[in-house]
Order: sequence, then structure tokens, then C-alpha cells
Amino acid sequence: EPEVTQTPSHQVTQMGQEVILRCVPISNHLYFYWYRQILGQKVEFLVSFYNNEISEKSEIFDDQFSVERPDGSNFTLKIRSTKLEDSAMYFCASSDQGRRQPQHFGDGTRLSIL
Amino acid sequence: DAKTTQPNSMESNEEEPVHLPCNHSTISGTDYIHWYRQLPSQGPEYVIHGLTSNVNNRMASLAIAEDRKSSTLILHRATLRDAAVYYCILGDNFNKFYFGSGTKLNVKP
Repeated sequence: EPEVTQTPSHQVTQMGQEVILRCVPISNHLYFYWYRQILGQKVEFLVSFYNNEISEKSEIFDDQFSVERPDGSNFTLKIRSTKLEDSAMYFCASSDQGRRQPQHFGDGTRLSIL
Repeated sequence: DAKTTQPNSMESNEEEPVHLPCNHSTISGTDYIHWYRQLPSQGPEYVIHGLTSNVNNRMASLAIAEDRKSSTLILHRATLRDAAVYYCILGDNFNKFYFGSGTKLNVKP
């Protein structure tokens, strides 16, 4: 069964540094999402992406964050200047028809900011 | 935010059926009802989804109330591997998901 893959599984970064989290969605999917989960807390929506542009973003997704689909297969989340509070699990998800179909999630990247 | 209400935790015996309830009284006519589960250190896993009619798949069944203000996820025979946090989520037009706290299911051998 096709799956969403995320790399790396664990990223350790110094505060203030830029970090890029990578995701390979399921190949025929058109809708892409990023979520995050701070340890012990709820999964939070960050951003949705369709047709090469952001469809919707949450209040968390400020100017420090950006997303890109650089080559038709990868979907990346960039955090420009990381803060301690950015430490969390980041999950990528994809779906093929938006709200009529389920989202398929990767196993996440654990981001640790020192 | 699309709102759902679930019990914080439930317990089941192995090989017995489990009924996980969810209230979503503010659901709109076009919202889909999705169920996901999350095991420790893993991403949310799709379980089942539906709009109005009851749904069955290899993992579970979804019973949707006639007024759509509540639904029940049914695991027909719980196994130890079904122990997880179960989330009931409403998918809006953009399908962004708002996860609540979910129901932590404990399965006893």
C-alpha cells in the first residue's frame, strides 16, 4: 500500500537556524498538509496546499514558515529561524480529492531545538 | 473550528466489540465524519469516514445518527494492537482537520 514518507525521522537544530522538513506524498495525490504535535498535546493544523499554492493556514503558520513543492514529488516545510517552542513532531499528510477522501499521514519528523 | 466531543478514555476486553462515541452537534451539511487513530510515536492512521450512511471496511464500522449530530466507531473484535488514541474529526470544505483530545482506548488481555 502506498504511503507518505518523511525525512529525517529526527532533526536536532540550534535555535535561530533554518530547518527544512521533507515529505514525499502518495504519488497521485493533489492535496498536501502539514500538522504539528507538541509533546503531550493535540495534533494542530498548520497549512494546506493545492495546485501549487497555499489553500489555508493556521495562526501558527506565521512568516517564519513556508512550504514548497519543488519538483512534483517532494513537499517541504521550512522554518526560517527556529525557536525553542518549535520543538514538536511534524506530520505531513496527503489526499487525492480533498474533503471527500481521507488524509494519509506520514510517521513524522521529530524536531528538537536546542 | 469544527467541534467534536469524545470521552477521554475507554476500556475494553480483548476480542470483545468496542463502541466509541462522538458528538458533533454543530456539524454542517457538507462535513464528512472521519475517524483516525494514533499509536505512540506514530502518525495518525486513517480508520474510516462517511457522510450520511453507515460505512464498513476491514478495520471498523461507522454508524452515523440520522440527524448526523453523533456517530459511533465500532471495532468488532478488539485486539491489543487496537489500543490507541481515537480521534473523531469533521472534514470541512478545505479538509483541514482539527484534532481534539480523542479517546484513549485501553484493551485488556
